[in-house]
Amino acid sequence: DGGITQSPKYLFRKEGQNVTLSCEQNLNHDAMYWYRQDPGQGLRLIYYSQIVNDFQKGDIAEGYSVSREKKESFPLTVTSAQKNPTAFYLCASSWGQGPYEQYFGPGTRLTVT
Amino acid sequence: KQEVTQIPAALSVPEGENLVLNCSFTDSAIYNLQWFRQDPGKGLTSLLLIQSSQREQTSGRLNASLDKSSGRSTLYIAASQPGDSATYLCAVIIGRTDKLIFGTGTRLQVFP
Repeated sequence: DGGITQSPKYLFRKEGQNVTLSCEQNLNHDAMYWYRQDPGQGLRLIYYSQIVNDFQKGDIAEGYSVSREKKESFPLTVTSAQKNPTAFYLCASSWGQGPYEQYFGPGTRLTVT
Repeated sequence: KQEVTQIPAALSVPEGENLVLNCSFTDSAIYNLQWFRQDPGKGLTSLLLIQSSQREQTSGRLNASLDKSSGRSTLYIAASQPGDSATYLCAVIIGRTDKLIFGTGTRLQVFP
């Protein structure tokens, strides 16, 4: 099956700990994205990558970091500097550069207490 | 700054009705507009993508239209079914940036 996988589905962490969310795709897409979704708000872009070993900040990158060492993988680290990390995190991918249709993974719900 | 608004925020209808969901955006210089469906606690499923040069797209019982000059898109759902119950999100891409800007969604409930 081709698609985007995110793991884990639920994640619980104590305040002050860094946590890494996994995103893998086997669609051979060049571009990958991380969004955050909060209740009552639309999705907001955290980081995106259009090619391996390159990535750009989105609208709310503070307190987050990413890497893109492989085409298939785009992990997101939520650092202790993120002031309000509890949210639903969604990963997406699309073909190459240019505004192609984006496809989303099932999401990871992160709760920090 | 591009803002995307969806009206209504919630909608509850009986099965069989034809529905119209609205999406408006403030900057008409969009490149694409994409409609998504989201079930509770799940990721997004892409329904339709309309390029800026197009006026509408159809997929089964769904039809999406785009009017760039007025900053509006509508998603038409024909003969609604309980399985259509979900949140529907629209998102626009400005220029060739690859950055989707989302509305806050319309939560739809179709009851038998």
